[in-house]
Amino acid sequence: ELKVEQNPLFLSMQEGKNYTIYCNYSTTSDRLYWYRQDPGKSLESLFVLLSNGAVKQEGRLMASLDTKARLSTLHITAAVHDLSATYFCAVDPTRYNAGNMLTFGGGTRLMVKP
Amino acid sequence: EPEVTQTPSHQVTQMGQEVILRCVPISNHLYFYWYRQILGQKVEFLVSFYNNEISEKSEIFDDQFSVERPDGSNFTLKIRSTKLEDSAMYFCASSVSAQPQHFGDGTRLSIL
Repeated sequence: ELKVEQNPLFLSMQEGKNYTIYCNYSTTSDRLYWYRQDPGKSLESLFVLLSNGAVKQEGRLMASLDTKARLSTLHITAAVHDLSATYFCAVDPTRYNAGNMLTFGGGTRLMVKP
Repeated sequence: EPEVTQTPSHQVTQMGQEVILRCVPISNHLYFYWYRQILGQKVEFLVSFYNNEISEKSEIFDDQFSVERPDGSNFTLKIRSTKLEDSAMYFCASSVSAQPQHFGDGTRLSIL
């Protein structure tokens, strides 16, 4: 059974600071996604990481994937209040088929304080 | 930008009743999914659907659950006899191949 673990589960940080959220998973996969969820809202796709060594950046967020270590990171640079949300990583364990189930991590609730 | 739409946004149902949650996926997408999220918990996969049949389902998706694509646009999730523990937010999603799954705004299902 695929397990996806995120840490930390809760992160309170000051504006302007940097931090990294970690996502570990237990089986071979080279498809990993990061989503953002605001309270009571849907999941917004942030990054798609489809190969070992993939790095994607959007604004103050940067995501990377190390398939050998089964680890993805979401790095936050100079955090601002608008980044406050819950961030989920999700792994698709199937290598060759498309359109399969995502297994989500437990989420990291990020709170950025002014 | 095209989006996945779900109705209703909130459904309140008595335990034991049948409920149907509706979704309109993005029009050129071929893969459809249902997930649920119990309040404060992580998102859990229920079922995926491709080419008019279920491609994968989780242990949660037991005989009480069914999915259907009754026409070219709608994708429905039916729960035949609801239980208290079915109370959750249900998300529909759709995708094209290995691209990210796009999620709807969800239906909050409350079982009394």
